[in-house]
Amino acid sequence: QKEVEQDPGPLSVPEGAIVSLNCTYSNSAFQYFMWYRQYSRKGPELLMYTYSSGNKEDGRFTAQVDKSSKYISLFIRDSQPSDSATYLCAMSDGDMRFGAGTRLTVKP
Amino acid sequence: GAGVSQSPRYKVAKRGQDVALRCDPISGHVSLFWYQQALGQGPEFLTYFQNEAQLDKSGLPSDRFFAERPEGSVSTLKIQRTQQEDSAVYLCASSPQSPNEKLFFGSGTQLSVL
Repeated sequence: QKEVEQDPGPLSVPEGAIVSLNCTYSNSAFQYFMWYRQYSRKGPELLMYTYSSGNKEDGRFTAQVDKSSKYISLFIRDSQPSDSATYLCAMSDGDMRFGAGTRLTVKP
Repeated sequence: GAGVSQSPRYKVAKRGQDVALRCDPISGHVSLFWYQQALGQGPEFLTYFQNEAQLDKSGLPSDRFFAERPEGSVSTLKIQRTQQEDSAVYLCASSPQSPNEKLFFGSGTQLSVL
């Protein structure tokens, strides 16, 4: 079993939809939780960063961390075609581990 | 430059060749990481530098892989006697000293070993 599990998708939604992405993990020592966005042929870029449990909102993006369930989520409201990318969850206890990434397509 | 720069963007090597991949981190960033990303997978950690010191090389898959950062800025990842299973995208990331979790990635070098 991998330390970080992420459904690879692909996920296809119409423009304006609410998107829900999530990851589960097994290492209870993880304290930092991140979401990275990766466009085709580009490196990942940091989207959201959360320390420990709770919610964090930034514009159309909301990150949630539930440490008791070892479950993190990223919600995208009013999704746009420009949100089409692969979304990688990542978590760290000093050593960072990435999920496999979920490929998202937002159709106009 | 404003971001992490990697070169070359693409590299095709014949099996058995040596390759060298270069990373120019963001100016002033102390920490530098190398990751390997296979198709359809997330990045896998290879090695980590703080300034010129290589503090963690536990992710290097074999002794054919070697990384250096002699002056604490530019880094080179060298792969000797390349094998087909080395084909992947090699990503470099840099970070301000703390926290290391906020990584800034380059666009990567796509290595194809034939």
